[in-house]
Amino acid sequence: GAGVSQSPSNKVTEKGKDVELRCDPISGHTALYWYRQRLGQGLEFLIYFQGNSAPDKSGLPSDRFSAERTGESVSTLTIQRTQQEDSAVYLCASSLSTGIGYGYTFGSGTRLTVV
Amino acid sequence: AQSVTQPDIHITVSEGASLELRCNYSYGATPYLFWYVQSPGQGLQLLLKYFSGDTLVQGIKGFEAEFKRSQSSFNLRKPSVHWSDAAEYFCAVGASSASKIIFGSGTRLSIRP
Repeated sequence: GAGVSQSPSNKVTEKGKDVELRCDPISGHTALYWYRQRLGQGLEFLIYFQGNSAPDKSGLPSDRFSAERTGESVSTLTIQRTQQEDSAVYLCASSLSTGIGYGYTFGSGTRLTVV
Repeated sequence: AQSVTQPDIHITVSEGASLELRCNYSYGATPYLFWYVQSPGQGLQLLLKYFSGDTLVQGIKGFEAEFKRSQSSFNLRKPSVHWSDAAEYFCAVGASSASKIIFGSGTRLSIRP
């Protein structure tokens, strides 16, 4: 597609429920990144994919967080047993390849609210 | 480890006035440096980037930034701001061998009419 698409744009969930956040990167972009942005804070790296593999998942905050990518395209970030501290905007970005020189194209994010 | 500091959380300037947003980084070698802008309800957009060469970098929307190695800084400037420049601005750094970019905490820019 023309840009990075994320869905849903907003998600309100009850504490303890599981949620899935979806990212459709730009077609042909082999690298895909997930970041988290808490209110009033900067972007916190979660995980990146090269193709369908995740060489760096060092930013995932706990084992409640997982992500996968299929077909070198769509990625899903899953948060199990959500907690209130998971409330944030989750941003996805893609780039032509790894190597940050290519720069990122960001989606508009999914705003997650855990009540 | 790489890190980025944006010392100003919130800045307000008058429309038509000049702007400078500060960014300091910590990294052992010459880093890759970026400025992104995030308008309300929108994703981040790349304003400009520095990898090497001329230390004064021109970006979109009339922005420029200057890399100063001696000060470990990469400040963003604009000679005359417009109301549409009101947004959150993020400085970011990465290593040439890195697979991810580290972002600062952001500076929120408000424009006074």
